[in-house]
Amino acid sequence: NAGVMQNPRHLVRRRGQEARLRCSPMKGHSHVYWYRQLPEEGLKFMVYLQKENIIDESGMPKERFSAEFPKEGPSILRIQQVVRGDSAAYFCASSAESGLGYTFGSGTRLTVV
Amino acid sequence: SQELEQSPQSLIVQEGKNLTINCTSSKTLYGLYWYKQKYGEGLIFLMMLQKGGEEKSHEKITAKLDEKKQQSSLHITASQPSHAGIYLCGAEGFNTDKLIFGTGTRLQVFP
Repeated sequence: NAGVMQNPRHLVRRRGQEARLRCSPMKGHSHVYWYRQLPEEGLKFMVYLQKENIIDESGMPKERFSAEFPKEGPSILRIQQVVRGDSAAYFCASSAESGLGYTFGSGTRLTVV
Repeated sequence: SQELEQSPQSLIVQEGKNLTINCTSSKTLYGLYWYKQKYGEGLIFLMMLQKGGEEKSHEKITAKLDEKKQQSSLHITASQPSHAGIYLCGAEGFNTDKLIFGTGTRLQVFP
């Protein structure tokens, strides 16, 4: 019974490239949340998705960032034209229903060089 | 929007000492979660509190939610080096479907 799986664990991108971060929720979980943790800071909410729907994207930057959670497959957080300020740890969490407990993945550490 | 403030921001204690971390919300808490994060790693769930006055313990860690449901404390008894890490409180507000997190408390325990 695997937990929340995120890959890759570490990702290095040059400025201007695209970064794609993947999150497979726990079995039976249909709610996915993405968070960003900048160095020496707390976790900031980015987006909340259910299958094929974005429920709350109030924490997503308006440009270059997008997220999806297709009917089949993992949730994807996509960052286009990365800049050095995008360097951070990106965490994904999943829950069976909202408010019934959140399980976090180990995160993807993005470094933009 | 709801905001969570944690105090202290960092804490250095000697092994064996007790310590308390506080989490204060600007609005009523409808679900309060405590997580621990080891440096460079993911979040480990510790406890979840929902009812005013609720208290839960696991091993040497006790978490409480006050009666007004706007403040929670995490108390560690007889701290050990294995307790070192970042402690994060996360909360659900009224009619929201996501966790927002406090600023975190960095704990170091030296022998």
